[in-house]
Amino acid sequence: QKEVEQDPGPLSVPEGAIVSLNCTYSNSAFQYFMWYRQYSRKGPELLMYTYSSGNKEDGRFTAQVDKSSKYISLFIRDSQPSDSATYLCAMSLAAGGSYIPTFGRGTSLIVHP
Amino acid sequence: DAGVTQSPTHLIKTRGQQVTLRCSPKSGHDTVSWYQQALGQGPQFIFQYYEEEERQRGNFPDRFSGHQFPNYSSELNVNALLLGDSALYLCASSPWADSNTEAFFGQGTRLTVV
Repeated sequence: QKEVEQDPGPLSVPEGAIVSLNCTYSNSAFQYFMWYRQYSRKGPELLMYTYSSGNKEDGRFTAQVDKSSKYISLFIRDSQPSDSATYLCAMSLAAGGSYIPTFGRGTSLIVHP
Repeated sequence: DAGVTQSPTHLIKTRGQQVTLRCSPKSGHDTVSWYQQALGQGPQFIFQYYEEEERQRGNFPDRFSGHQFPNYSSELNVNALLLGDSALYLCASSPWADSNTEAFFGQGTRLTVV
């Protein structure tokens, strides 16, 4: 079993839909949970991060962490074709340099007009 | 601010050859991490440099080596290339104290080994 599991998709939705992207993990010691967006042929871009449990909102994006279930989610409201990309989750034990993040394999999202 | 820049963007090498990839970190960042991303997979950590020293290393053979210069830029060297080394190589820079929450990635170098 991998430390971080993420369904590769692709997930195809119509423009305007609410998108839910998810990851599960096995290491209960993870404290920081990050979401990256990666466009084709580009490097990942950090969208947002959450410390420990709870929700965090940034514009159309909401990150949610359920540590009891070892499950994290990224919700995208009013999805746009420009949101079409691969979304990577990543997790680490702490924020600093000694702690290397573990990435999921990414979920490919396609938002069609 | 140019962000994280990597060079070259693409290159093709023959099995057995050696390759050097370069990374210039975002201004103000002192930590550089290198990742290998195979097609359809998430980034796999290779190693991390801070204060010109390798601080952490992932599960990669000694054929993979690196360096960090006083200006914080970094190089990744791969010797005796194998077909399986074909991948996107990503450089991420960050401040040491916030390397997970303030990481910026470059656009990557696409390496093809034939």
